[in-house]
Amino acid sequence: EIALTQSPGTLSLSPGERATLSCRASQTINNNYLAWYQQKPGQAPRLLIYGPSTRAIGVPDRFSGSGSGTDFTLTISRLEPEDFAVYYCQDHGDVLFTFGPGTKVEIK
Amino acid sequence: QIQLQQSGPGLVKPSQTLSLTCTISGDSVSSNTATWNWIRQSPSRGLEWLGRTYYRSKWYTNYAVSVRSRITVNPDTSKNQFSLHLNSVTPEDTAVYYCARDPPQVHSVFDIWGQGTVVTVSS
Repeated sequence: EIALTQSPGTLSLSPGERATLSCRASQTINNNYLAWYQQKPGQAPRLLIYGPSTRAIGVPDRFSGSGSGTDFTLTISRLEPEDFAVYYCQDHGDVLFTFGPGTKVEIK
Repeated sequence: QIQLQQSGPGLVKPSQTLSLTCTISGDSVSSNTATWNWIRQSPSRGLEWLGRTYYRSKWYTNYAVSVRSRITVNPDTSKNQFSLHLNSVTPEDTAVYYCARDPPQVHSVFDIWGQGTVVTVSS
């Protein structure tokens, strides 16, 4: 079973800054099928990116995903106030549906 | 617009069965391309996929190893719903439970989620 680690645990940034979030897998992810979700307090996760660079419907283009093999990155080019949230990665290359522990992006 | 609406109790006693229902609007539980999933979230276990049901000429279910001996996910085509039953619960099953759709064309992601149900296991 693949394990996912995310870093940093918390990212403190100001609106307008660039955010770079990392997700590392313990083994190569099949077909680079790595997805990213955003979760705000009291809400369900929201799918942002899959496969590893395709934006889901309605996701702004300031969000981008990249990477391959075991190392993946979610980049938010310029943080908007509504982007402060927790972000999770998920292996969608197999049917175990493993999620990472999350990175919290907080306002500095 | 596709929506998932969850229902079920928020408090379950230890050793009893946790039962939740997810009602689908805008799609069909009998879809030949989507799958219908249950996921839970707790501080100790994070986001954890529990199980799914789907129709591909016949009905299939898959379950996570961690709950395989205790879980059942069933479709109800007459009500366009699917359900979760988790028996022999303990306080470790306390979590927010979500239903979610794994959509057509994309492999094993979750694009539509229910609103979540906070379930507490306590006497």
